[in-house]
Amino acid sequence: EVELVESGGGILQPGGSLRLSCAASGFTFNYYSMHWVRQAPGKGLEWLSYISGSSNTIYYADSVKGRFIVSRDQSSMFLQMNSLRAEDTAVYYCARQRLWGVVDYWGLGTLVTVSS
Amino acid sequence: QSALTQEASVSGTVGQKVTLSCTGSSSNIGSYAVGWYQQISHGAPKAVMFGDSLPSGIPDRFSGSKSGTIASLTISGLQPEDEADYYCSTWDYSLNVWVFGGGTELTVL
Repeated sequence: EVELVESGGGILQPGGSLRLSCAASGFTFNYYSMHWVRQAPGKGLEWLSYISGSSNTIYYADSVKGRFIVSRDQSSMFLQMNSLRAEDTAVYYCARQRLWGVVDYWGLGTLVTVSS
Repeated sequence: QSALTQEASVSGTVGQKVTLSCTGSSSNIGSYAVGWYQQISHGAPKAVMFGDSLPSGIPDRFSGSKSGTIASLTISGLQPEDEADYYCSTWDYSLNVWVFGGGTELTVL
């Protein structure tokens, strides 16, 4: 059974850093591209980043480019978040890509709160 | 403002057929499959349609279609448990970003 489990969320002050993890199981991880998506309180879904199975191709949304770094290893994906702002407060989800532009599995999310 | 445009809200009665739309452009919906995601009470999103394919475990009252730059999700025989927010999304090659619609709040009356 495919499972994605995010972790690493928490409460921190503006300007701080945090590293999120997405542990994958139930499938051959390096065969699949992955995404990070977030949802601010009361808002819609916002895409953040894409990483290919080989890590050769990476894309970022403009809102996080230069501040966030995505990476992966044999079984997990990571999101290094730097220079955090209040507007980064959100639930962060990882998702597995099924087709170009379509994902099939999502994790349950991890909450990041940035507040002074 | 979202790259994909969805109705803010749609409502229907139990048993009714409802259609949610998602309007984009040639660089996104016009070029790629569209995913539809159901989110109940701000829980984790769940895929209910990949293009015109139904994910395993999703009832066949859900169906998807696309015409040009407009994608649609149809629910035939609306059920109370279908009440949720629905988001469409796909890739946009002109921006190299994954784009979402703003979401449609579906209410089952």
